[in-house]
Amino acid sequence: NAGVTQTPKFQVLKTGQSMTLQCAQDMNHEYMSWYRQDPGMGLRLIHYSVGAGITDQGEVPNGYNVSRSTTEDFPLRLLSAAPSQTSVYFCASSRQGTSVNEQFFGPGTRLTVL
Amino acid sequence: AQSVTQLDSQVPVFEEAPVELRCNYSSSVSVYLFWYVQYPNQGLQLLLKYLSGSTLVKGINGFEAEFNKSQTSFHLRKPSVHISDTAEYFCAVTLYSSASKIIFGSGTRLSIRP
Repeated sequence: NAGVTQTPKFQVLKTGQSMTLQCAQDMNHEYMSWYRQDPGMGLRLIHYSVGAGITDQGEVPNGYNVSRSTTEDFPLRLLSAAPSQTSVYFCASSRQGTSVNEQFFGPGTRLTVL
Repeated sequence: AQSVTQLDSQVPVFEEAPVELRCNYSSSVSVYLFWYVQYPNQGLQLLLKYLSGSTLVKGINGFEAEFNKSQTSFHLRKPSVHISDTAEYFCAVTLYSSASKIIFGSGTRLSIRP
């Protein structure tokens, strides 16, 4: 099993550009989520999904969109990048429809917005 | 809303010394509690979790944590640390009633001196 994979590993964008961060898992997990990690602030939940076709907002959803058309994939879209979105982004997944079980994290995407 | 406070942003200790990383949470209802570890340039992985039952929880790599409901704390301990324990440690909480959302603390960076 590859676990949770994220692409790309690094990305530089200009203000106003759009892009999609990819996340995939091969463990048949129902629950998937996106976090951003900023120095001194820990991880903050952006969006999450408890199953295909179901998504909901976390703590910091503004400026980000998600969709969950399959169990395996959970892409994160930045519609118009801003410097405040410079961060490291982590995708995670867990068994069943809650976060109570162990969350498995991807290796992260380091995004810089100029 | 629930929150998590990790009072120490950095904890330096000597190799083979004991360590305690502090975590306090704020919630008016019952919670689940977690400790995750992040090694340099990697995603997070679960160290241990408290769901119910015994308040002393043992995790991987010799770590343990004690749930104290009256003090709303979930401190992480290890009796003797190794260089390989150098990492950032995150405490996290989720509500019984909303287990889909997990809130992380700001993290504690543990540095081990030889």
